[in-house]
Amino acid sequence: KQEVTQIPAALSVPEGENLVLNCSFTDSAIYNLQWFRQDPGKGLTSLLLIQSSQREQTSGRLNASLDKSSGRSTLYIAASQPGDSATYLCAVDSNSGYSTLTFGKGTMLLVSP
Amino acid sequence: DTAVSQTPKYLVTQMGNDKSIKCEQNLGHDTMYWYKQDSKKFLKIMFSYNNKELIINETVPNRFSPKSPDKAHLNLHINSLELGDSAVYFCASSDREESTTDTQYFGPGTRLTVL
Repeated sequence: KQEVTQIPAALSVPEGENLVLNCSFTDSAIYNLQWFRQDPGKGLTSLLLIQSSQREQTSGRLNASLDKSSGRSTLYIAASQPGDSATYLCAVDSNSGYSTLTFGKGTMLLVSP
Repeated sequence: DTAVSQTPKYLVTQMGNDKSIKCEQNLGHDTMYWYKQDSKKFLKIMFSYNNKELIINETVPNRFSPKSPDKAHLNLHINSLELGDSAVYFCASSDREESTTDTQYFGPGTRLTVL
């Protein structure tokens, strides 16, 4: 059974810092890995999706990497801003037939001005 | 335009009641999902429907019955509500067959409180 762990559970940084969020998964037989953002009281917004054959994806100040063999992914946020404050969720899709996302518990990020 | 919408946004009810949550997506996706996020913010899949057919049922009590009248809708009916059903329920959709990315799009959530 796939298990997804995210470290740290919470992170507080001053504005402008670069930061890394970590995600690990137990079963390397994945279809893709997705990073989501969740704002308080809101739904999830997809940030980046990395296919199992890819090593990384970039979108603006965000860069996600995937090392399938070691069961790890990182989300790098450059030049953090207060608007980046949210919970970041890592989810692994293990089913190549129909999507079955297994989520981590998230990292709660606070970027202070 | 809202891509994935859910109603109601908040639902407060007594133990033992029956309630429904509605979900609609206007993205033309072929697959829809229901997730439960508990008080510890842990998000877990409950059901998945592809083209109105049940694909995934993750050991959810049979008090929960999803219904998909068409590809754009997936409603969740809950019978005999219990205190432990209190959570935020998220609907999502994706297009597995047509898309190479299969990104899931989430609704805003329905916060269910059982008293």
